[in-house]
Amino acid sequence: KQEVTQIPAALSVPEGENLVLNCSFTDSAIYNLQWFRQDPGKGLTSLLLIQSSQREQTSGRLNASLDKSSGRSTLYIAASQPGDSATYLCARGAGSYQLTFGKGTKLSVIP
Amino acid sequence: DTEVTQTPKHLVMGMTNKKSLKCEQHMGHRAMYWYKQKAKKPPELMFVYSYEKLSINESVPSRFSPECPNSSLLNLHLHALQPEDSALYLCASSQDGGRGFWYTQYFGPGTRLTVL
Repeated sequence: KQEVTQIPAALSVPEGENLVLNCSFTDSAIYNLQWFRQDPGKGLTSLLLIQSSQREQTSGRLNASLDKSSGRSTLYIAASQPGDSATYLCARGAGSYQLTFGKGTKLSVIP
Repeated sequence: DTEVTQTPKHLVMGMTNKKSLKCEQHMGHRAMYWYKQKAKKPPELMFVYSYEKLSINESVPSRFSPECPNSSLLNLHLHALQPEDSALYLCASSQDGGRGFWYTQYFGPGTRLTVL
């Protein structure tokens, strides 16, 4: 069974810090890797999508990388803000529309 | 516009009720999805429609019945649910590259379902 693991499960940082969230997956036959943000009780907001042929994607203060050979992706958040506090989910995409989610990293940015 | 809308936002129903969840998108996406998310757990795929045809059913009990009446609408009909079906039900859509290939999935805000 395909597994997606996110470490750490929770992270608390002071405002302004740069931080890295980690995601690992067991099957290197990946189609794409998607990072989402979820606020409590809300739906998911798509942050970045990396196709299997790409190594990284950037959007504003966010940068996501993909290393298929090691089965890892990282989400880098620069100059964190309290508004970044949320749960961040990574999801591994496979064929046949399959998207397998990790359990998420709950981020708290302290003012 | 990358919006997926879902109604209702909250739903409370008894085990003998019949209700429906509705999802709508106007991005021209031809793949639409239903996910179920229990508290503090990641979303789990239930159904996928590709070009209005049911493409994937992840062994979901028959008390959940999906319907895709047109390319913009996706419904989930609920009947004789159990308390353990209480969860956040999320709808998503994406461009469909055909043969199971797809692009960024955009999610709606979800319907919080409570079964008494």
